[in-house]
Amino acid sequence: DAKTTQPPSMDCAEGRAANLPCNHSTISGNEYVYWYRQIHSQGPQYIIHGLKNNETNEMASLIITEDRKSSTLILPHATLRDTAVYYCIVRGGYGGSQGNLIFGKGTKLSVKP
Amino acid sequence: DSGVTQTPKHLITATGQRVTLRCSPRSGDLSVYWYQQSLDQGLQFLIQYYNGEERAKGNILERFSAQQFPDLHSELNLSSLELGDSALYFCASSVAKDRAHNEQFFGPGTRLTVL
Repeated sequence: DAKTTQPPSMDCAEGRAANLPCNHSTISGNEYVYWYRQIHSQGPQYIIHGLKNNETNEMASLIITEDRKSSTLILPHATLRDTAVYYCIVRGGYGGSQGNLIFGKGTKLSVKP
Repeated sequence: DSGVTQTPKHLITATGQRVTLRCSPRSGDLSVYWYQQSLDQGLQFLIQYYNGEERAKGNILERFSAQQFPDLHSELNLSSLELGDSALYFCASSVAKDRAHNEQFFGPGTRLTVL
């Protein structure tokens, strides 16, 4: 699986959009970009994933550059409850029966009032 | 609520002892994964089971073992416990339907303290 690079920490004002970047310059064609977050010792929570097209769900949007070497997770209106460590994970497109996640250090997002 | 349950929530035991952690996956999920999170190592993958069979192994010590039962629940057995085994242990499950739909859903974790 390709390695990812994320800033160790970011701040965001409540109500503003939080844009979390991730570099994955060695990503290969069949690898997906996944985002998870972990709120203070709770189990990690799946947010979103994509292959090459931009994706949006009720939690966030994922923007993947055309060359797929980087991506941005966007939380459109951050709240205090979004304070967490956010993990960007690049994951091989294994058959559905395989595929553990390799977590890096992630980005600690602090949403401030 | 992810739909994944783990018991117990907390476990305190002594060095040299053996414990069993239990995980019930989301309904319909065939894959179960175990992860360990300690302060110095971060979140590390231990082992994966798919429909009762071991499918992938990560940094799992020989003192640790796991299994997945016919009803798809899984147990992680930790033996000859050492102080360094103190950590949060998470279980995750996924439907593992195909390449594009393999997101994992994590349980609340079991906090193990070895004294």
